[in-house]
Amino acid sequence: DVKVTQSSRYLVKRTGEKVFLECVQDMDHENMFWYRQDPGLGLRLIYFSYDVKMKEKGDIPEGYSVSREKKERFSLILESASTNQTSMYLCASSLGGGHYGYTFGSGTRLTVV
Amino acid sequence: DQQVKQNSPSLSVQEGRISILNCDYTNSMFDYFLWYKKYPAEGPTFLISISSIKDKNEDGRFTVFLNKSAKHLSLHIVPSQPGDSAVYFCAASGRSNYKLTFGKGTLLTVNP
Repeated sequence: DVKVTQSSRYLVKRTGEKVFLECVQDMDHENMFWYRQDPGLGLRLIYFSYDVKMKEKGDIPEGYSVSREKKERFSLILESASTNQTSMYLCASSLGGGHYGYTFGSGTRLTVV
Repeated sequence: DQQVKQNSPSLSVQEGRISILNCDYTNSMFDYFLWYKKYPAEGPTFLISISSIKDKNEDGRFTVFLNKSAKHLSLHIVPSQPGDSAVYFCAASGRSNYKLTFGKGTLLTVNP
């Protein structure tokens, strides 16, 4: 069974901390994505990567960065966590274009206090 | 600029009745559409999809209808079950696009 694994289900961090969210997929997918989900705002794309070491900004990249050193791993970094980054973070991977659809991880509920 | 719109934030139906979730899009380059279902504290899971060369796709209790001229698609669930209670996201993709564009979601509640 194909899988996208996010390292933490729940995380509580302090304002100003540097936060790392890790995502690993075992499907040899080229494309990986980071979204956040907030009530009333749906799924908003933060960053995506279509190859190792390649990345592109999504719709809301401010305050975030990403790293993809290996094909299977895509990390989201909150450089200096703020309370407005409290959210559900979802990682996804895809074999190719949007027609292949995404496989999502279970999500990380991040609370910044 | 919201290219995929789900105008109903929530929908409540009785068990056994039909649930109809609607989605509108503005980008005429979209040619593939998907529905995802999401339970609280879980990631979205793929439900059903449709290509723009079709106007209907059916999978068990789930049917998606596409009206290209109106740029509208709908998801029908018949009969609805309490386990169908979840947030449903509509998503769309263009042919040469890595990305899916998602709507804001509709919370479906199926009452026993």
